[in-house]
Amino acid sequence: ETGVTQTPRHLVMGMTNKKSLKCEQHLGHNAMYWYKQSAKKPLELMFVYSLEERVENNSVPSRFSPECPNSSHLFLHLHTLQPEDSALYLCASSQDRSYEQYFGPGTRLTVT
Amino acid sequence: AQSVTQPDIHITVSEGASLELRCNYSYGATPYLFWYVQSPGQGLQLLLKYFSGDTLVQGIKGFEAEFKRSQSSFNLRKPSVHWSDAAEYFCAVGAGANNLFFGTGTRLTVIP
Repeated sequence: ETGVTQTPRHLVMGMTNKKSLKCEQHLGHNAMYWYKQSAKKPLELMFVYSLEERVENNSVPSRFSPECPNSSHLFLHLHTLQPEDSALYLCASSQDRSYEQYFGPGTRLTVT
Repeated sequence: AQSVTQPDIHITVSEGASLELRCNYSYGATPYLFWYVQSPGQGLQLLLKYFSGDTLVQGIKGFEAEFKRSQSSFNLRKPSVHWSDAAEYFCAVGAGANNLFFGTGTRLTVIP
């Protein structure tokens, strides 16, 4: 595997489910990001991890819970989501929280 | 506050024709500017970036962009579009704690 990978690529879940999104980067970077991409809206930065510590949380509801067990892996745990949470969730990585970020293909999430 | 405006939601060009995608930014300091491309089902790929120096920057896939401070613009250009260029294009400004702020994107359709 190369670059940034994300699994699953598609996820349909009910509002009472609990699921997790996984991101893995194979670039040797030490910063990772979660973004939300909704139609006709700019990408929204959700969380930033640098050296495995969360350094930014942009007022994201607590039903989204990130986890970064090491510098290569990032998870987004989901529970009791709302239909408006349906979106493409993108993971990215960079070296030293630089602007030059490398993105994964995203997970298309549908909340029913 | 920083923001990015991409005034064209959708552009259609003929294959072989030239292309210009518009981007205007608002940021109080010297901006770091980026163009990303997103093909269907894929994540964002960095096309080019401007940090300082020469205001005309070259990127991958034959793209270039010109930074014009007086117009707060960073328009993306390509002299001859190929069918494989059909995608969504995002302009972004780097600001704050090394965060990226994105525009809403321009969808490019290429017709034979």
